[in-house]
Amino acid sequence: NAGVTQTPKFQVLKTGQSMTLQCAQDMNHNSMYWYRQDPGMGLRLIYYSASEGTTDKGEVPNGYNVSRLNKREFSLRLESAAPSQTSVYFCASSERGISHDSPLHFGNGTRLTVT
Amino acid sequence: AQRVTQPEKLLSVFKGAPVELKCNYSYSGSPELFWYVQYSRQRLQLLLRHISRESIKGFTADLNKGETSFHLKKPFAQEEDSAMYYCALMGPGGYQKVTFGIGTKLQVIP
Repeated sequence: NAGVTQTPKFQVLKTGQSMTLQCAQDMNHNSMYWYRQDPGMGLRLIYYSASEGTTDKGEVPNGYNVSRLNKREFSLRLESAAPSQTSVYFCASSERGISHDSPLHFGNGTRLTVT
Repeated sequence: AQRVTQPEKLLSVFKGAPVELKCNYSYSGSPELFWYVQYSRQRLQLLLRHISRESIKGFTADLNKGETSFHLKKPFAQEEDSAMYYCALMGPGGYQKVTFGIGTKLQVIP
């Protein structure tokens, strides 16, 4: 039982390049999330998917797109990377909406640097 | 707007000393509060939640609505407690209404 798996672990991009961050969970969770973490700031929600087939914007969605490919997988795409997107990205899932009995389960993170 | 404040970026204590990681929140309703922890080379994981009133790994946290605080406490620090600790608040609407603090790094000195 791997939980939430993110790939890649590290990535360096040049400004304007595109890439997709992959995330998969094997816990049969309904909801999945993408967060970014920047120095001096807490985790901020980029996009989330409450259930298979739905996606919604979070706090900082600009410059990103997502795809909920199936119940297991939720990918994050940067179409044209910018230095401001240098960050650590976390994927997370929860059994259903976040609540005291449905907490977040996180992946190990992807450290992305855009030069 | 909901906000979570963790005033200390780094907290260093000696092994066996008491630990208190501070968390203050700003929220007008009845929040649900959590503590998440990230040990070195491990993923961020839930430590405890206020509604459960549980003690995990010797840590407890009490919600004080009057002081709008949810401080994390442990009477005797252990070396294995060294980690990053994040306080999180959830308002109604679950999915996008979770706000994290910036985190406090706890360093337990042997």
